[in-house]
Amino acid sequence: SAVISQKPSRDICQRGTSLTIQCQVDSQVTMMFWYRQQPGQSLTLIATANQGSEATYESGFVIDKFPISRPNLTFSTLTVSNMSPEDSSIYLCSVPQGDTLSGANVLTFGAGSRLTVL
Amino acid sequence: GQNIDQPTEMTATEGAIVQINCTYQTSGFNGLFWYQQHAGEAPTFLSYNVLDGLEEKGRFSSFLSRSKGYSYLLLKELQMKDSASYLCAVRDSNYQLIWGAGTKLIIKP
Repeated sequence: SAVISQKPSRDICQRGTSLTIQCQVDSQVTMMFWYRQQPGQSLTLIATANQGSEATYESGFVIDKFPISRPNLTFSTLTVSNMSPEDSSIYLCSVPQGDTLSGANVLTFGAGSRLTVL
Repeated sequence: GQNIDQPTEMTATEGAIVQINCTYQTSGFNGLFWYQQHAGEAPTFLSYNVLDGLEEKGRFSSFLSRSKGYSYLLLKELQMKDSASYLCAVRDSNYQLIWGAGTKLIIKP
């Protein structure tokens, strides 16, 4: 399965600042997903990053707040802009790939970036 | 709306068996997934069910009943390393993944 390197692993940020999270995959993938995981809550999809086109955002998430870049098939960044304490969360990137045993299209995740906004 | 329900937390004893339930209400169904997530780590894929019945993979088994909107993950011969959160996710008719909030499993010696 693909190996995803995600950084930073954690950061403490000041209100009003922006932080960019990077995800590097060791193989070329068409789609990359960005998720948010708040404590005790389910994974929430922020957007799908496609190479060569603008990201597709889910309801409740906008490009001005979460700009995404996808310059090639192995790399993507997510920026959390003008942060507030409500943005404190774990942010995860993931890529889909087939599972040879089940035939399912499963997700492989990066280790996550834990952001704390003060 | 779409909804996935699973218990928030469960406790079990090392060597025992535990069943984690997941019920779902989604717009269509195109498969159900179980992921394991250790604290501070990424979720990792455990199992996939698309047809009714039991899928066995070593100490872990997953069951699906589409008519009841119900699945469970069965963990046998529990080990301390099985302490983790277990996430249930359903793929709906639009092939979107709907995630449960996860069940935190605590294993005691």
